[in-house]
This record gives sequence, C-alpha cells and structure tokens, in this order.
Amino acid sequence: SQQGEEDPQALSIQEGENATMNCSYKTSINNLQWYRQNSGRGLVHLILIRSNEREKHSGRLRVTLDTSKKSSSLLITASRAADTASYFCATGDYGQNFVFGPGTRLSVLP
Amino acid sequence: ETGVTQTPRHLVMGMTNKKSLKCEQHLGHNAMYWYKQSAKKPLELMFVYNFKEQTENNSVPSRFSPECPNSSHLFLHLHTLQPEDSALYLCASSQQNALSDEQYFGPGTRLTVT
Repeated sequence: SQQGEEDPQALSIQEGENATMNCSYKTSINNLQWYRQNSGRGLVHLILIRSNEREKHSGRLRVTLDTSKKSSSLLITASRAADTASYFCATGDYGQNFVFGPGTRLSVLP
Repeated sequence: ETGVTQTPRHLVMGMTNKKSLKCEQHLGHNAMYWYKQSAKKPLELMFVYNFKEQTENNSVPSRFSPECPNSSHLFLHLHTLQPEDSALYLCASSQQNALSDEQYFGPGTRLTVT
C-alpha cells in the first residue's frame, strides 16, 4: 500500500490566500520531505523534516510533522501565481524505502 | 538549474528500438536514482546507486537496464519497450542516500513508445 498520500488531490485558491496541503503515511519514518514540480519538469526539494522535529520554516513555507498521527502539513502563506505546481511528500523509513505520494495539484489564480 | 542534467529531453522510440537515457550530476554527490513518472500515478523509484553500486532495484522489468560508470554519470538503457513504458523518466542525486538527504532532480526525459 502507498506510504505517503497527499490531501487534497487538487486545490485552487486566489493569489494572496494561504494554501495548506496534508500528507499521511503508514509506517515509521526517518524523515519526511516535500517537493514541488512544475508541469512536466523535474522536482525541486522544498523542506526536509526529521522524525524528531515538529515544525520547520523556509521563507513562506511552513511544514509540520505529527508522528503520533503519522501526518504532515505544508502551508504556503501569501500565495502567488508562481506557486502553481504539484506538491509531493516523500517519506524515508529506516530501511531502504523512499516513497512519494501522488501529489496535490495547486492552482493559484491571479 | 539543479546541477543535474538529462539527455535527451524528449525521445520517441519504437518497440524494437534500443536507446539510452543519460544523466549527469555536477554536485559531487554519491548517490543517484532513476524514477518513472506516469500520468496519474505516484513517482516510482526504479534504481538506486550508492558510490556506483546498485543498492535498489524495485522489481523493474529487465527491458530497463541501468549503468553507473562513475558517481557523476548514470544511464538507463532501453530495449524492446512497451507502450505502457511511455512516461517521464527522472534522474536524481543526493549527497549520500535519500533516507537522510534531499534529492536534486534533473528535468526529465519524456519518453514515448510507439
């Protein structure tokens, strides 16, 4: 079964609004990473959060991790049209597994 | 630019052809990866190389054959592919391995099998 699953599958907001995406996973993890992908291009790493961390910030991005609920969230504040992309979470466990979720497709309307 | 390049960017091949995808990283990383991204499916990890040694092969059909001659270059040799193999093939690298490091992705090769 899939390790990471993002929610919602698609999200459409107005420029300036905040966007929140969630990721749930099933097994114990070593770390969780968020990536962004513009249409048909490679992925760009956004944030890595380790299992002993609860929150990390990077510019307008805020990631939280709740290991008791096996979930993470990515918040993009004051969104811009350029934030339009697909966002993926990926989890690494204590073995050799590294699994991406299906992604959330974010559309920021000007 | 992420420091990871892939060629070609687009490839159309017949089912009887043999072709190769190339990936090169200029970041001094020790781990390299091949991923397959099909429409409406999650990114699938295909192969992992650490220090030129293959450490992961996620039940990939033998018509896909990876090669890692050195820590900077990674190839994916393709032969007798099927139309369902049409996808975006992404290469990535990281300092050590994905469990603790962020991955840097190339722009991908869009493969169409006719």
